[in-house]
Amino acid sequence: DTGVSQNPRHKITKRGQNVTFRCDPISEHNRLYWYRQTLGQGPEFLTYFQNEAQLEKSRLLSDRFSAERPKGSFSTLEIQRTEQGDSAMYLCASSPRRAGSTDTQYFGPGTRLTVL
Amino acid sequence: GNSVTQMEGPVTLSEEAFLTINCTYTATGYPSLFWYVQYPGEGLQLLLKATKADDKGSNKGFEATYRKETTSFHLEKGSVQVSDSAVYFCALSESDYKLSFGAGTTVTVRA
Repeated sequence: DTGVSQNPRHKITKRGQNVTFRCDPISEHNRLYWYRQTLGQGPEFLTYFQNEAQLEKSRLLSDRFSAERPKGSFSTLEIQRTEQGDSAMYLCASSPRRAGSTDTQYFGPGTRLTVL
Repeated sequence: GNSVTQMEGPVTLSEEAFLTINCTYTATGYPSLFWYVQYPGEGLQLLLKATKADDKGSNKGFEATYRKETTSFHLEKGSVQVSDSAVYFCALSESDYKLSFGAGTTVTVRA
């Protein structure tokens, strides 16, 4: 396994611009998760996919945020009309799905977003 | 809702010292409990986990026991090394998909 990869690792943008992040999970992991981590805090759950279906979205995921996983492999997280409050580390994780178990989530290195 | 409270840092220790990081949780059911570690410049890694009461998770000399009666999952290591310097996160999962994390505890081990 090559691990979960995320691109870009860093993104600096101006307020009001749109940004898109990509996550490539561990191959054959059918679950993919997005979290957001602000400075000095633990990660907060945003959303997750099982294969291509988005099954849960947090209240943190405002209308400006959209996530997709069109073929059940990689995923993208788009933020429209960015605000300074969107500045954070965006983490992606993946896991296999075994019935009746809480599977270990494997995290990527994250994309650090700075909104000026 | 579910929440995790962990010991505030930063924690600074000398090599070979004993480390304890306290973690308590609030949950409506019987969650699985985790410790994740984030080394400088790296992503979150699972350190250990426990899925039911009285289970002990262990890895790399670290241990934590799931205590239902005190709703705790304290992390311990008997003799820390400089390479243990990292941020440690306690987390729980009551569903089979969502992790709820504590704020993290920064540990620095001095030679």
